[in-house]
Amino acid sequence: QKEVEQNSGPLSVPEGAIASLNCTYSDRVSQSFFWYRQYSGKSPELIMSIYSNGDKEDGRFTAQLNKASQYVSLLIRDSQPSDSATYLCAVIGGGYNKLIFGAGTRLAVHP
Amino acid sequence: GAGVSQSPRYKVAKRGQDVALRCDPISGHVSLFWYQQALGQGPEFLTYFQNEAQLDKSGLPSDRFFAERPEGSVSTLKIQRTQQEDSAVYLCASSLLVGATNTGELFFGEGSRLTVL
Repeated sequence: QKEVEQNSGPLSVPEGAIASLNCTYSDRVSQSFFWYRQYSGKSPELIMSIYSNGDKEDGRFTAQLNKASQYVSLLIRDSQPSDSATYLCAVIGGGYNKLIFGAGTRLAVHP
Repeated sequence: GAGVSQSPRYKVAKRGQDVALRCDPISGHVSLFWYQQALGQGPEFLTYFQNEAQLDKSGLPSDRFFAERPEGSVSTLKIQRTQQEDSAVYLCASSLLVGATNTGELFFGEGSRLTVL
């Protein structure tokens, strides 16, 4: 079992809809969780972080964390074609605070 | 420059050749990571430097992979006797403090795409 699991997608949503991206992790002691966005051919960029159970909102993005279920999600409201990218879930794990990434979910927002 | 710079951006090697990939992190960043990203996959950790010290090389897939950061700034990832399975994008990332810290913010370069024929 990989440490961070994501559905690879593609997840296709119409413009203006809510996109819901999910992630599970295996290490119960993980405390810090992150969502990175990666456009095709580009490097990952951090878009959200969450550390406590519950929701964290930033503009059109909401991250949700449930440590009991070892589950993290990212909601994107009012999805735009420019949101089309791969979304990588990551946790801090192992020594030296390295980031461990999931395989990523490809999101396609169609007009 | 302001960001993490990697070179070459693209490298084609024949199987068995040695390659060297360079990373120039953001000035003053203590931590430097190398990741390998295969097509359709997430980045996989290779190795970690804190200044010039290589503190974690647990992700290096074989002894053909070697990384160094001799003066605590520029880093080189060397792959000897390249194999087809080495084809991937190699990402370098740096952070100001030790590790990814709890902010999780790593600054990534654009990557070096290696294709082994």
